Amino acid sequence: QVQLQESGPGLVKTSETLSLTCTVSGGSISSYYWNWIRQTPGKGLEWIGYIYYTGSTYYNPPLESRVTISLDTSKNQFSLKLSSVTAADTAVYYCAANGGYDAFDIWGKGTMVTVSS
Amino acid sequence: EIVMTQSPATLSVSPGERATLSCRASQTVTSNLAWYQHKPGQAPRLLIYGASTRATGIPARFSGSGSGTDFTLTISSLQSEDFAVYFCLQYTKWWTFGQGTKVEIK
Repeated sequence: QVQLQESGPGLVKTSETLSLTCTVSGGSISSYYWNWIRQTPGKGLEWIGYIYYTGSTYYNPPLESRVTISLDTSKNQFSLKLSSVTAADTAVYYCAANGGYDAFDIWGKGTMVTVSS
Repeated sequence: EIVMTQSPATLSVSPGERATLSCRASQTVTSNLAWYQHKPGQAPRLLIYGASTRATGIPARFSGSGSGTDFTLTISSLQSEDFAVYFCLQYTKWWTFGQGTKVEIK
């Protein structure tokens, strides 16, 4: 059974780049679409973007200019980078998997990231 | 963007009672609607997809209905482990979420 675990710094400074990694266990990263989702107090749950095992990506348009999602198949991991962060990016960040244009079957437990100067 | 609105924000229910949660879409999502259960510190758990299909291992007391813009999640007889936050997700046009309904013990 596939499981996901987020990791990364819990505190990021304003204007810097947030970097998180999701480790996939119990299955191969060469399947599924791999997503990042966040939950903020103000906007609730927000889909950030996905990467497919082929490397193709798609990002939520409001975040597109600041987001990069990448894949490391050798480590069974995928990563999120969000640049030029502000306090509005303070959130719990989740990684999740689905089979394409479908519901998210599998989620990680989430990791809290606070943006502060 | 398709906006998903859930009601009520909080639902107080006694164990053994029925809980009915609503989710409304700002435009049709056909049957591309999922429901999740989320407890603090845990990963969200997929309950229902395709508006009415239970995910693997989900008890029969959970049922989903609706299509188009109006959807309902019913928990027929609440168990102690069912007290949690429930949120809906549409996946017709990308992915957007409802703000959640907290089901608490009355």
